[in-house]
Amino acid sequence: EADIYQTPRYLVIGTGKKITLECSQTMGHDKMYWYQQDPGMELHLIHYSYGVNSTEKGDLSSESTVSRIRTEHFPLTLESARPSHTSQYLCASSEPGQGVYGYTFGSGTRLTVV
Amino acid sequence: AQKITQTQPGMFVQEKEAVTLDCTYDTSDPSYGLFWYKQPSSGEMIFLIYQGSYDQQNATEGRYSLNFQKARKSANLVISASQLGDSAMYFCAMKAGKLIFGQGTELSVKP
Repeated sequence: EADIYQTPRYLVIGTGKKITLECSQTMGHDKMYWYQQDPGMELHLIHYSYGVNSTEKGDLSSESTVSRIRTEHFPLTLESARPSHTSQYLCASSEPGQGVYGYTFGSGTRLTVV
Repeated sequence: AQKITQTQPGMFVQEKEAVTLDCTYDTSDPSYGLFWYKQPSSGEMIFLIYQGSYDQQNATEGRYSLNFQKARKSANLVISASQLGDSAMYFCAMKAGKLIFGQGTELSVKP
């Protein structure tokens, strides 16, 4: 039973379209993250949030934007999708401090821009 | 700078054998956590095991154990009695602030 939900699971969309990837968690975590992962490659942090109205850019530059209006919701938006945005996007949340379980990840959204 | 390195892009192991996946890390922060995640072809990240930088004993979780050598800055994952379902990508990760990942190792278990 997942505590963090991502929709859609798969998305194929045309170039130039605006898309929003949804991420919601039911654990009350303040910290949430978006990672981008190309097939078979490492995860790169692109955005994170430490609470409502707090958003920061991650280590990898991304043309996407995020918002955090509610604790449980952390959507990612691409205003104009391009083929270079084709990737898997993973959302995660974490407990305060180190936490033995680290981060809890959603199932990911596999985005293909054609 | 913080960094995680996995030098084995791919590994093969015979079913029921043990396998070690290598991971080295670099950080100047004295307090950090080390994690291993499994990522099957479906894409989700499954937490396997955690080791804190101040933990004296190596972490174990069922068939998974973490060989933590602090002086060498290594945190290798040992999977005992491999099963066909263990075939997946395995990522080492470090949390000192934010969670950063290594490049991953693709493990294939042969029957």
